[in-house]
Amino acid sequence: DAGVIQSPRHEVTEMGQEVTLRCKPISGHNSLFWYRQTMMRGLELLIYFNNNVPIDDSGMPEDRFSAKMPNASFSTLKIQPSEPRDSAVYFCASSFGNLVSPLHFGNGTRLTVT
Amino acid sequence: TQLLEQSPQFLSIQEGENLTVYCNSSSVFSSLQWYRQEPGEGPVLLVTVVTGGEVKKLKRLTFQFGDARKDSSLHITAAQPGDTGLYLCAGKGYSGGGADGLTFGKGTHLIIQP
Repeated sequence: DAGVIQSPRHEVTEMGQEVTLRCKPISGHNSLFWYRQTMMRGLELLIYFNNNVPIDDSGMPEDRFSAKMPNASFSTLKIQPSEPRDSAVYFCASSFGNLVSPLHFGNGTRLTVT
Repeated sequence: TQLLEQSPQFLSIQEGENLTVYCNSSSVFSSLQWYRQEPGEGPVLLVTVVTGGEVKKLKRLTFQFGDARKDSSLHITAAQPGDTGLYLCAGKGYSGGGADGLTFGKGTHLIIQP
């Protein structure tokens, strides 16, 4: 099992540019989560999907952020336009979605917006 | 919003010492998980506790879930340099069903010095 795969590992962009982060969950998992991690705020849940349907996007900071899951094996998180305060490590995780199933995290995308 | 407070935020001790880190909340959780994160990687599950008062052991690590299901502790015996990392607790609340995103604490940064 290859685990959760995220790309790119690092992204450096200028303020105002569009950024797209990609995630391939573990095959067979029916839940997918996007988290953002900073030293100040720790790990914050942005949005999660169950069976490709967005369930809770209350953690998405503002309209500049959007996420899609067109099929069970792919999800994207898009920031448009990006701002310096969006700089963080963005993690994707997947799970079987029941009460005790663990989250399996990818290795994250480190985003730097200058 | 269910908040998890972890303490201490930073801890640096010598190899061979014992330590305890804490995870506290005013909310009740249906289950609680502990993760360990190393630099440049995503968090990896250590244990899940479900029942109030439950104690689980993983080699030199002992996890306890509070009777009221609002708090948890992680005790490490005879710490080793390989235990160095960021320890995160994460709680899952009660819902009507389906997947729920975990709420994470900000973590305890643990350094074990040889």
